[in-house]
Amino acid sequence: SQQGEEDPQALSIQEGENATMNCSYKTSINNLQWYRQNSGRGLVHLILIRSNEREKHSGRLRVTLDTSKKSSSLLITASRAADTASYFCATDASQAGTALIFGKGTTLSVSS
Amino acid sequence: DVKVTQSSRYLVKRTGEKVFLECVQDMDHENMFWYRQDPGLGLRLIYFSYDVKMKEKGDIPEGYSVSREKKERFSLILESASTNQTSMYLCASTGGGQETQYFGPGTRLLVL
Repeated sequence: SQQGEEDPQALSIQEGENATMNCSYKTSINNLQWYRQNSGRGLVHLILIRSNEREKHSGRLRVTLDTSKKSSSLLITASRAADTASYFCATDASQAGTALIFGKGTTLSVSS
Repeated sequence: DVKVTQSSRYLVKRTGEKVFLECVQDMDHENMFWYRQDPGLGLRLIYFSYDVKMKEKGDIPEGYSVSREKKERFSLILESASTNQTSMYLCASTGGGQETQYFGPGTRLLVL
């Protein structure tokens, strides 16, 4: 029951550029979260946006949520080589309680 | 800081072996999760647990079982390992009303 789908699957940019990743989901949600995974490691939570919020910022991260379109975007501004990682959106569907449903991820490569 | 540890980073097993993957968290979290991650498929939920001795099936429980005898420890068991269970296994926990999940570093399992 894959809920989130990230787009694009892969993204390559230069340092200093902005990176935008999108996530679409299918059912109503309580919140949507973004996680980051460095190669071969576990996931690290980046930011959570609730269903009644439209935009949220954390440092160089900006997340938007459009519940009418069932979509979210993650913007990383002024990217650095250290931002190279895979990024996943995860939804907390009402029926699932605390179990999150993850998308397939966007692989971001930032070259210097 | 929450710490989630997994017993092995890399594991090589033979087909038919019984495999135990251990996960321990140190933040008294009620909820613990096991996911598997495969290229192109993202994270898929195998089992989760809301409390000691409680377990719930996720999206892909076939071929797996779990055990939660103590609050801090959640074990994933492959009763008879098969080559299609070669994967990255990620454990996560959450609790105390939090919605974000904290992940372990992952166990990369190879079944020959």
